[in-house]
Amino acid sequence: ELKVEQNPLFLSMQEGKNYTIYCNYSTTSDRLYWYRQDPGKSLESLFVLLSNGAVKQEGRLMASLDTKARLSTLHITAAVHDLSATYFCAVDMYGQGAQKLVFGQGTRLTINP
Amino acid sequence: DGGITQSPKYLFRKEGQNVTLSCEQNLNHDAMYWYRQDPGQGLRLIYYSQIVNDFQKGDIAEGYSVSREKKESFPLTVTSAQKNPTAFYLCASSTQGRIHLSGANVLTFGAGSRLTVL
Repeated sequence: ELKVEQNPLFLSMQEGKNYTIYCNYSTTSDRLYWYRQDPGKSLESLFVLLSNGAVKQEGRLMASLDTKARLSTLHITAAVHDLSATYFCAVDMYGQGAQKLVFGQGTRLTINP
Repeated sequence: DGGITQSPKYLFRKEGQNVTLSCEQNLNHDAMYWYRQDPGQGLRLIYYSQIVNDFQKGDIAEGYSVSREKKESFPLTVTSAQKNPTAFYLCASSTQGRIHLSGANVLTFGAGSRLTVL
């Protein structure tokens, strides 16, 4: 059974600081996705990582994938309040013959002025 | 505009009642999914469908039922057998049906339905 674990689960940071959210998964996959969810809202796709070593950047967020370590990171640079949200990683099980994603628990990020 | 429409947005149910949550998409996507989200937790897969008239159980299918009679529609029924149905329910769709396409399986989500049992 594929397990996806994020840490930390809660993160409170000051504006202007840098931090990293980690996503570990338990079985082989080379497809990983990051989503953002604002309180009470739906999920919005942020990044799609489709191979080992993939790196994607959008503004102050950068995501990377290391399939050998079964690890993805979401790095936040010089955080701003607008980035406060819950961030989920999700791993694609297509390699196990199932067209579905398994989500991590989510990391609730709060950025304080 | 293409997208996924879930209704109702809020729903209250008495114990012992079945309720049906609607999910309609006009994205021409083959695959559709239902996830459940509990406060402070991640998403857990209830059911998914890769093609019309076929669907598979996810990780927490007990107490739920679905149908996929049309490509555009994937309604979820929460039955009285579901012991703890209060949650936020999210429907999603993607282009990845039974025939696996190369590239990403990016899910597009609806706005969600919040179900509360009284």
